[in-house]
Amino acid sequence: NAGVTQTPKFQVLKTGQSMTLQCAQDMNHNSMYWYRQDPGMGLRLIYYSASEGTTDKGEVPNGYNVSRLNKREFSLRLESAAPSQTSVYFCASSENRELTEAFFGQGTRLTVV
Amino acid sequence: EDQVTQSPEALRLQEGESSSLNCSYTVSGLRGLFWYRQDPGKGPEFLFTLYSAGEEKEKERLKATLTKKESFLHITAPKPEDSATYLCAVQAVSNYQLIWGAGTKLIIKP
Repeated sequence: NAGVTQTPKFQVLKTGQSMTLQCAQDMNHNSMYWYRQDPGMGLRLIYYSASEGTTDKGEVPNGYNVSRLNKREFSLRLESAAPSQTSVYFCASSENRELTEAFFGQGTRLTVV
Repeated sequence: EDQVTQSPEALRLQEGESSSLNCSYTVSGLRGLFWYRQDPGKGPEFLFTLYSAGEEKEKERLKATLTKKESFLHITAPKPEDSATYLCAVQAVSNYQLIWGAGTKLIIKP
């Protein structure tokens, strides 16, 4: 039982390059999330998908796009990376958006130079 | 504005020395408050959910409590393996999005 799997674990991009972060969960959860974590700050929600077929903006969506490919998979795309997007990115899933525990992936450490 | 503040930023304790971490929050109607543990290089791991003032939950050496303005995570006789960053988050009645604190880094020295 893998839980939430993110790839890649580490990535270095040049300014202006694009990339897609992949996330898959095997818990049959309805809701999935992308967060970023920066030093000295709390986790900030980038986008979420309350259920298969829906996606919505979170607190910091600018510069990102997402795709809920199916119930298992939720990807995050950076179309033109900027140094301000250097961060650790976490994918998470939960049974639904209400009071259920969220399960997190191991994170992707992204550096944009 | 909904907000979560955790204190202290870092806490160093000797093994067996009990203490508490604080999570203060302002939210327009609390749906729930969450505690998570995060080890270096890993994603957060769920610990507790508290729903209403006066509620308490326990797990091994950890006990979480909730008032109308803050939550405490009490650590009794900690061991080095309790070293981690502890994160607090709240969910408002009006919005399903979690608001996260910056965390408290706990270091337990043997």
